[in-house]
Amino acid sequence: DAGITQSPRHKVTETGTPVTLRCHQTENHRYMYWYRQDPGHGLRLIHYSYGVKDTDKGEVSDGYSVSRSKTEDFLLTLESATSSQTSVYFCAISVSQGGGYTFGSGTRLTVV
Amino acid sequence: SQKIEQNSEALNIQEGKTATLTCNYTNYSPAYLQWYRQDPGRGPVFLLLIRENEKEKRKERLKVTFDTTLKQSLFHITASQPADSATYLCALVGAAGNKLTFGGGTRVLVKP
Repeated sequence: DAGITQSPRHKVTETGTPVTLRCHQTENHRYMYWYRQDPGHGLRLIHYSYGVKDTDKGEVSDGYSVSRSKTEDFLLTLESATSSQTSVYFCAISVSQGGGYTFGSGTRLTVV
Repeated sequence: SQKIEQNSEALNIQEGKTATLTCNYTNYSPAYLQWYRQDPGRGPVFLLLIRENEKEKRKERLKVTFDTTLKQSLFHITASQPADSATYLCALVGAAGNKLTFGGGTRVLVKP
């Protein structure tokens, strides 16, 4: 998607290993979000950021941490991956509160 | 608890007809309601936003209504086309914050 890229697109990792997913934007938007999408649960918010070094927890934040040291980058870390964290992870950005979100193409993570 | 409900059953519709999707919510006082389209393997794409003081919004063949008394939004695709086949998600932003909470989505299949 224009202006927002996620990496990697696919990853397989072993249980217990740390994993970092990256979201990079070129839009200079203030707000950034990490969601996970699972069958039967839809999109659920993990963490979000409203500026550099300003982050907060979402609905399903246990086992995840985030960092935002630059406006353009928002990193999601699974501290010790578990099989329950197998999911598709989406990053999103927005220019304002309540405005439409622009989503990345997603990262499909499999924890074996 | 807060809930956003969309019909989980797929909506099959003939090309040229109007597709109508429902989004019901409980225990929310949303400031905004948004609709997104998601194609398989892709991130959601923002379509429309409607504010709590607006009754109806249109964009090309799309129409959204918002009834805060009924706690319901209807999403219409008029003159539907096979290219409209996708999953459609509704999402709410509460008055207090800037976080979107999503419904589970409704899959639409438009048959030629």
